[in-house]
Amino acid sequence: GAVVSQHPSRVICKSGTSVKIECRSLDFQATTMFWYRQFPKQSLMLMATSNEGSKATYEQGVEKDKFLINHASLTLSTLTVTSAHPEDSSFYICSAIDRKGANGYTFGSGTRLTVV
Amino acid sequence: GENVGLHLPTLSVQEGDNSIINCAYSNSASDYFIWYKQESGKGPQFIIDIRSNMDKRQGQRVTVLLNKTVKHLSLQIAATQPGDSAVYFCAETSTGGGNKLTFGTGTQLKVEL
Repeated sequence: GAVVSQHPSRVICKSGTSVKIECRSLDFQATTMFWYRQFPKQSLMLMATSNEGSKATYEQGVEKDKFLINHASLTLSTLTVTSAHPEDSSFYICSAIDRKGANGYTFGSGTRLTVV
Repeated sequence: GENVGLHLPTLSVQEGDNSIINCAYSNSASDYFIWYKQESGKGPQFIIDIRSNMDKRQGQRVTVLLNKTVKHLSLQIAATQPGDSAVYFCAETSTGGGNKLTFGTGTQLKVEL
């Protein structure tokens, strides 16, 4: 079946630094990728929708200059948390859908970001 | 945004019993629903889905029921096993909604031996 690889699985960074998270579709072309953030004991909250070759669409309240999303190819999307602060510590998850929609939504395994 | 919520935040069941997890949604335009299982520290895992032109769909040990009249969705797990312990989310999307999935608040299922 469809597989989405997300890296890193865990990252600890210092406050003020930037962190990049990668999301790759391994066996299909992902025309659209989604980025979610999940705080402990809470649901997944959509941050942005990323379409290959175009600018990401951010949900209300999500700072596009802080959470930079790049979807340069049909198999890779990246989320960069810029100038990270402790309140950005969270579980970040990507998902992807393919061109035909045949595989539905495939989720990555998530990235645990801790900002110290 | 639209609200997709769950009635029960925590559900405890005995091993071997059937589990029923409920979900309410408010977007009348929702036409595709998915149930996910999420284990601690992992991404959501697809369980079963249903489109709005159906009211029931069965998988292996799982059944999803959809009641569009009252905007209610349920997941039934037969013969619940310890490995079923996880958080379960319903999610919905609608045609024309940009393929965006909206997740419910989640239910923690605990299977007691």
